[in-house]
Amino acid sequence: DSGVTQTPKHLITATGQRVTLRCSPRSGDLSVYWYQQSLDQGLQFLIQYYNGEERAKGNILERFSAQQFPDLHSELNLSSLELGDSALYFCASSVRLATNEQFFGPGTRLTVL
Amino acid sequence: GENVEQHPSTLSVQEGDSAVIKCTYSDSASNYFPWYKQELGKGPQLIIDIRSNVGEKKDQRIAVTLNKTAKHFSLHITETQPEDSAVYFCAAEQINKFYFGSGTKLNVKP
Repeated sequence: DSGVTQTPKHLITATGQRVTLRCSPRSGDLSVYWYQQSLDQGLQFLIQYYNGEERAKGNILERFSAQQFPDLHSELNLSSLELGDSALYFCASSVRLATNEQFFGPGTRLTVL
Repeated sequence: GENVEQHPSTLSVQEGDSAVIKCTYSDSASNYFPWYKQELGKGPQLIIDIRSNVGEKKDQRIAVTLNKTAKHFSLHITETQPEDSAVYFCAAEQINKFYFGSGTKLNVKP
């Protein structure tokens, strides 16, 4: 157990809908990263927050947004969902900014029908 | 942006043999190179990492080498065991952004 929690574990929804994925980092970790893992595109970095502020942006679609709250938990919002958004979404946390060990959560499996 | 290529995509070895997975990166600005192991149904787990100012790092049966000039780094697993069977990912970090290889499925046959 990495100490990073993600909810829900599974999510099934329809095209056009909006969902929110939640991540609680390990106690004491200030940095949160979001990743998308799909069969055809592998593991893709989406976005990173550090102590409530956005620090780095990867291949995150405009339909997706994220935030990190004062208690350091983070949420990833996915809207206008398409079939291609079906994937595993991972959250990872680390104590400081990059170049430090990232601890991954168990992931949320999103299925868009 | 950075492009990380990983080979091979699958690797099958006999228990006790060594396994080597190779990655190349494109941008010399990348300065941190972690390796992750992902078991079925779980999130990736860091197994070893190396920074750009180091050429080699070892942790028990696992070692990583980095050639900055050639822009490639490799994971070496010695005395493989069935529990080493998993998907392994390399990554390169650049200004807080992580770029991952496509993964190598390692199968260790008992």
